[in-house]
Amino acid sequence: SYDLTQPPSVSVSPGQTAIITCSGDNLGDIYIFWYQQKPGQSPVLVIYHDNKRPSGIPERFSGSNSGNTATLTINGTQAMDEADYYCQAWDSDTVVFGGGTKLAVL
Amino acid sequence: EVQLVESGGGLVQPGGSLRLSCAASGFTFSSYWMTWVRQAPGKGLEWVANIKENGSDKHYVDSVKGRFTISRDNTKKSLYLQMNSLRVEDTAVYYCAREGDSEVFDYWGQGTLVTVSS
Repeated sequence: SYDLTQPPSVSVSPGQTAIITCSGDNLGDIYIFWYQQKPGQSPVLVIYHDNKRPSGIPERFSGSNSGNTATLTINGTQAMDEADYYCQAWDSDTVVFGGGTKLAVL
Repeated sequence: EVQLVESGGGLVQPGGSLRLSCAASGFTFSSYWMTWVRQAPGKGLEWVANIKENGSDKHYVDSVKGRFTISRDNTKKSLYLQMNSLRVEDTAVYYCAREGDSEVFDYWGQGTLVTVSS
């Protein structure tokens, strides 16, 4: 089964670009999804199929996936973007989540 | 408006059982796969199980196989998770989620806390 590895934490200054990675063998061969979870709240989908944004998600959120690494990029990071971010993949009929990355906007 | 409301969580002793429910509204429940995802305190998300629209196909994470059973009642627009032989490590907030188009989990409930402790 897939093993998705994320850095435990990432820090970024307001207005700068935040990059969160998700690593795994041949990740580029499958679709990656990204979820945002703020404290005390349920997760929210921010990117699906590697680079597609659901309606209502700001354009500053983007994604890519190639080789062994998928990336979530947040341009012009805002204080409201401080949250935990999880990458996710389908492994046949089951689901795998990465360990999560805490994004701090300092 | 799509709503998912979980219930049934609580404190249970190791080895005990609990049945979680998820009441759905605002969409055609019988047209969607549904999923349970859990989150241990201070930890990440873990997918638990999912079930096909008509209940004919189910999948589980290895750690709950043989102990948990996912089911649904489309007439009641409800999703269930029967949890038996509970272990301390099953302690978590359990979320139900809808599997929407493009394989996404597009709507989530607010979660219900299950605590397994003596």
